Amino acid sequence: QSPLTQPASVSGSPGQSITISCTGTISDVGGYRYVSWYQQLPGKAPELIIFDVGNRPSGVSDRFSGSKSGNTASLTISGLLAEDEANYYCSSYTTTNTHVVFGGGTKLTVL
Amino acid sequence: QVHLQESGPGLVKPSGTLSLTCTVSGDSISSNKWWSWVRQPPGKGLEWIGEIFHSGSTNYNPSLKSRVMMSVDKSGNQFSLKLSSMTAADTAVYYCARSDCAAGRCALAYWGQGALVTVSS
Repeated sequence: QSPLTQPASVSGSPGQSITISCTGTISDVGGYRYVSWYQQLPGKAPELIIFDVGNRPSGVSDRFSGSKSGNTASLTISGLLAEDEANYYCSSYTTTNTHVVFGGGTKLTVL
Repeated sequence: QVHLQESGPGLVKPSGTLSLTCTVSGDSISSNKWWSWVRQPPGKGLEWIGEIFHSGSTNYNPSLKSRVMMSVDKSGNQFSLKLSSMTAADTAVYYCARSDCAAGRCALAYWGQGALVTVSS
């Protein structure tokens, strides 16, 4: 069981918006703004798409946005494209001596 | 452009030791960055193994700490991972990655392509 809880799967049609949640505790997501999101295309390495809750690295589409409320962080993808079909992982700093925790991942299917 | 590339044996015997190297290009291993290892068992999620700074300072996942050793080779612009007492549960794709700061406060901005390591006799 992963320290951060994500839905196993979400789906949406092209052009729609979807949101993926990532629930932790006050020791990680809820206590700090060090939440990141990664996109992993099939057979590829993860790629950073959101850092520090809601910041995008250079080159990442503004269709990707992040937010946080309490112990839950969220990734929203607007204007869904077929190329967005991938697994998405959240990650957070944690005060446990693990330092870094990941969610179990969410498979996004574009219908 | 920062590029990381893992290398090492793809097959390790049970009870053996995994040795992987990550070669960095486009950045210096001696820069003010932290160099991490993350693994992903087939069909499963990501697990942070640990990180190292060029000075040799390390942070390890407590669940693996007794079996992990990381090191830096400044002349080769590389860093390495050793994981001992391997079992089938350690079969995974192993990624190296770069972070701007230590202990989870910064995201992993650059990743290698990954190296599949299978534990089998």
